Amino acid sequence: DQQVKQNSPSLSVQEGRISILNCDYTNSMFDYFLWYKKYPAEGPTFLISISSIKDKNEDGRFTVFLNKSAKHLSLHIVPSQPGDSAVYFCAADSGAGSYQLTFGKGTKLSVIP
Amino acid sequence: DTGVSQNPRHKITKRGQNVTFRCDPISEHNRLYWYRQTLGQGPEFLTYFQNEAQLEKSRLLSDRFSAERPKGSFSTLEIQRTEQGDSAMYLCAIRANSYEQYFGPGTRLTVT
Repeated sequence: DQQVKQNSPSLSVQEGRISILNCDYTNSMFDYFLWYKKYPAEGPTFLISISSIKDKNEDGRFTVFLNKSAKHLSLHIVPSQPGDSAVYFCAADSGAGSYQLTFGKGTKLSVIP
Repeated sequence: DTGVSQNPRHKITKRGQNVTFRCDPISEHNRLYWYRQTLGQGPEFLTYFQNEAQLEKSRLLSDRFSAERPKGSFSTLEIQRTEQGDSAMYLCAIRANSYEQYFGPGTRLTVT
């Protein structure tokens, strides 16, 4: 069973507009959430994170929102730029033990100039 | 510094051969992880080291896989008797003082 789900395999957005990437999780033990960006043939690059005690975290053009009751988080990119085109992974940390990350399958974002 | 290097970047091997990958964090980090990523999937946890101790292994890590971190710095991942299903990107990550994990560029394994 998949504990972290990214239901949209792909998303296309015009340059300058907002990109919204969504993620759902099922495990109530997750207490820290992260977004990674990945280009082909490279490792994932950490983008932004949020603790379960918060509902929003902002870093420049990137904002992550967490709705704990709905077990849902989203990443907003404003304004979107062509260089943002990549695969975005949502990941969750149980906050205990090995602190291993559980990843979703990713959403491929294409920003059209 | 949270940099991680991995070698080799690409490995092509014939089924049944053994392969070994290496992960070198640029600076000392207590926690080191190995993940595997196949096409269309996110990275999946394989194993975890705290210093030189291997503390957790995923059920994905069959007995053909072995990992070491002899001095608590670099780590190696060996796959014996490779199978075509082992073809994947193998990723190493270190965990900084916060929750974030920082990944290396990965080793792409192709088993023919």
